[in-house]
Amino acid sequence: AQSVTQLDSHVSVSEGTPVLLRCNYSSSYSPSLFWYVQHPNKGLQLLLKYTSAATLVKGINGFEAEFKKSETSFHLTKPSAHMSDAAEYFCVVSELNRDDKIIFGKGTRLHILP
Amino acid sequence: DTGVSQDPRHKITKRGQNVTFRCDPISEHNRLYWYRQTLGQGPEFLTYFQNEAQLEKSRLLSDRFSAERPKGSFSTLEIQRTEQGDSAMYLCASSPLRAGLANEQFFGPGTRLTVL
Repeated sequence: AQSVTQLDSHVSVSEGTPVLLRCNYSSSYSPSLFWYVQHPNKGLQLLLKYTSAATLVKGINGFEAEFKKSETSFHLTKPSAHMSDAAEYFCVVSELNRDDKIIFGKGTRLHILP
Repeated sequence: DTGVSQDPRHKITKRGQNVTFRCDPISEHNRLYWYRQTLGQGPEFLTYFQNEAQLEKSRLLSDRFSAERPKGSFSTLEIQRTEQGDSAMYLCASSPLRAGLANEQFFGPGTRLTVL
């Protein structure tokens, strides 16, 4: 069975400082992993995805994530936070050959302090 | 706009009434998914279609819920005899079918249901 755990429900960082949103997963198969962002009153948008190619994945808006199989982690990072990054972030796991059904984490609310 | 669209965006209904939501996926996408999202939670999978075939249903989808995708294009999600616990955001997503690859799902803006 697959599952995903987002370790922090809220993260606050100052503008211009690094962002780290943590995600651990559990999967019986070779997982694909995603990060989605949800801004208030907007639809979910894909930030980046890992699909067994490079373990360091670059996404939109300066975000990146590193797949670490030994730690079963897929943490999301950004070197310098911007006010517009304030949103809800979801880590998602999907198992190949499992019809792409995906499991969302509970989300991490990112707050950017001026 | 060539994204996923959902209608209505908001629905307020009284307990016991039936409601129906519509989702129009991206036109070339074979797969269509329905999710439910409650406050403070991530979206929970409800069901998905490949073309017109409904391939999987979550145990969250009680008998009061039914989904259709009659022509393999748009889909409807109907909730009969609504309950207050049905209040949530209902999200639709679509994805292309590419064997062997993890397909990104494209999400619509959602329909927010409030059951009074």
